[in-house]
Amino acid sequence: EVQLVDSGGGLVQPGGSLRLSCAASGFTFSSYWMHWVRQAPGKGLVWVSRINGDGSSTNYADSVEGRFTISRDNAKNTLYLQMNSLRAEDTAVYYCARQGLRSGSYTYWGQGTLVTVSS
Amino acid sequence: DIQMTQSPSSLSASVGDRVTITCRASQSISSYLNWYQQKVGKAPKLLIYAASRLQSGVPSRFSGSGSGTDFTLTISSLQPEDSATYYCQQSHSTPYSFGQGTKLEIK
Repeated sequence: EVQLVDSGGGLVQPGGSLRLSCAASGFTFSSYWMHWVRQAPGKGLVWVSRINGDGSSTNYADSVEGRFTISRDNAKNTLYLQMNSLRAEDTAVYYCARQGLRSGSYTYWGQGTLVTVSS
Repeated sequence: DIQMTQSPSSLSASVGDRVTITCRASQSISSYLNWYQQKVGKAPKLLIYAASRLQSGVPSRFSGSGSGTDFTLTISSLQPEDSATYYCQQSHSTPYSFGQGTKLEIK
C-alpha cells in the first residue's frame, strides 16, 4: 500500500527555519517525481516545488524561490522541504504528493503538516 | 505562468442533479488537466487526470472533458457524499497551478 506521511510542521517565528519531511512507503520511491503543495487556512491549493527521481532537477514557485529547498534521500525513501526566511504568508498546511508515471497528476498525497509563522 | 480560472466559485444543488464545473486556462495546456475533490480537513483526492481519464476507484458519475483552454467536470447524478471543494490543476508546465476551487453544497 502506498503511503506518504508528512511531518515537521510547527510554530516558527518570522525569519526562522523549518524542515518538513515526507516518509514514503509501498512503492519504488526513486522512480517518481515528488511535489510539495500548500494550502493557507481557508484558502485554495498552491503548488510549491517539485523534484525528479534522482534529485538532479528541481523547480520552485516564485514565492519561495531562494528561500525553500526541496531534496530527497532515496536510501531513506524520504522527501524534504527546507524552509528558510519564513514569512507570515508561508503559514499553511503543507502536503507532499507523488506525481503519476504517465501524467502530472497526484494520485497519492500525504496527510499534510501545519506550518504557522507567527511571533 | 499559466492561470487557471474556475467557475462558479460555489454552487448549491440537490441530490440527483447534474452538476457542471468549468475551468479555463490562460493558454493552451492540451489535455494536461486534472480534477481533485477535497473534503474539509482532508488531503485532496484525484478524480480525473489527463482531462477525461477517470481515476481508478472513482464513481462513474464523475466525468471530465475538454482540451486546449476549456475544460469541464460533470457529476451526472449528485450524491450527498459529493459535498466538497473541487479544484482543477494544470500539469502542462511549472508552476503547476490550481484553479481557485468550487465549493459544492448539497441542498
